[in-house]
Amino acid sequence: NAGVTQTPKFRILKIGQSMTLQCTQDMNHNYMYWYRQDPGMGLKLIYYSVGAGITDKGEVPNGYNVSRSTTEDFPLRLELAAPSQTSVYFCASSYSPGSFGSYTFGSGTRLTVV
Amino acid sequence: AQKVTQAQTEISVVEKEDVTLDCVYETRDTTYYLFWYKQPPSGELVFLIRRNSFDEQNEISGRYSWNFQKSTSSFNFTITASQVVDSAVYFCALSEASNYGQNFVFGPGTRLSVLP
Repeated sequence: NAGVTQTPKFRILKIGQSMTLQCTQDMNHNYMYWYRQDPGMGLKLIYYSVGAGITDKGEVPNGYNVSRSTTEDFPLRLELAAPSQTSVYFCASSYSPGSFGSYTFGSGTRLTVV
Repeated sequence: AQKVTQAQTEISVVEKEDVTLDCVYETRDTTYYLFWYKQPPSGELVFLIRRNSFDEQNEISGRYSWNFQKSTSSFNFTITASQVVDSAVYFCALSEASNYGQNFVFGPGTRLSVLP
């Protein structure tokens, strides 16, 4: 099925460990985004990309890194996991930032840092 | 700066009741887009509607309807004859055309519980 695919769906990390959250879309969307959703809260933008090779910080980028080597993939890297990074992470993509269609979200990655 | 407010944290209704979820937004742009998303207990985000700032027509889709009023900066969502399957968290969101990427801002969400 076309859409945004996130892996893994669940992960438990120990403090200080690193991991990469994978995000792939097959809709040829230029724009891709990473959000985090803390319990009982709305989504906050971590990083976004407007095309391959171009990324920029969102509202809450500290502790994360991203890369965009292809149109399809937009991985999110946590270098030194901290309990404050316990959250649900959503990847999203769009053809353009709002003028065409809607954002398409992945199903989320639930991360717990202990 | 852009902001989305959903003043209702939680709402409980009995099945078949109508319910309105409020959304108030702030933006300095003249061109912007408003969205509603549904997040059921399974956790995924389901797109419901997108509205651009130049289109103030209200929209109806089955039991769902949306009332966009620029004069009050509101984009309210009404569910008619609610059903248990409507139980979810509903998010209103705003995207400004002039500052793409950094400005797809979500409200805090309203948790709707529809009781049988």
